[in-house]
Amino acid sequence: DAGVIQSPRHEVTEMGQEVTLRCKPISGHDYLFWYRQTMMRGLELLIYFNNNVPIDDSGMPEDRFSAKMPNASFSTLKIQPSEPRDSAVYFCASSFGQLSNYGYTFGSGTRLTVV
Amino acid sequence: KNEVEQSPQNLTAQEGEFITINCSYSVGISALHWLQQHPGGGIVSLFMLSSGKKKHGRLIATINIQEKHSSLHITASHPRDSAVYICAVLNSGTYKYIFGTGTRLKVLA
Repeated sequence: DAGVIQSPRHEVTEMGQEVTLRCKPISGHDYLFWYRQTMMRGLELLIYFNNNVPIDDSGMPEDRFSAKMPNASFSTLKIQPSEPRDSAVYFCASSFGQLSNYGYTFGSGTRLTVV
Repeated sequence: KNEVEQSPQNLTAQEGEFITINCSYSVGISALHWLQQHPGGGIVSLFMLSSGKKKHGRLIATINIQEKHSSLHITASHPRDSAVYICAVLNSGTYKYIFGTGTRLKVLA
């Protein structure tokens, strides 16, 4: 398995534009997590899904952020409109079970810069 | 006071030393997660613990539920262990994740 695949690796966009981040979890994993990491706030959990259903989105900062998981092999995190304070590294992770003994597998992250 | 606190914040060690990183939390938890973030930014999940002790290679993680404390030990440390180690807990009441601010480890050759 190629692991958790995120795209793009880097994204630079202008303020006000829509940004879509993509994630392909490991086949067979039933949990998918979206995280954001900034220097100021560290690592934060934005939202997670179980069997494609959003379970907890309380970490989503505001209505400009939305996430979907239309099927077991694909998820998107969308920011519309984007703002400079959204600049961060966004990680996706997947696991088999929420408390899996094997932990989670993280993607390489998407570095987003909003100018 | 943060609900999850790690110590030390920064640690420099010589190759071969035994290293301990601590994580204390103030909430009831379902599980505790140790993560490793390499200088390049990639994150690796090391352990998920709800009780006792786990070992993987030179890494050992322990948790004491009564004392609300976990430790991550690295035996025979090596420069490739240089990374930021992050502790995260799953709050058993809210079922929300809370992250520590990380411990930056540097192992010198």
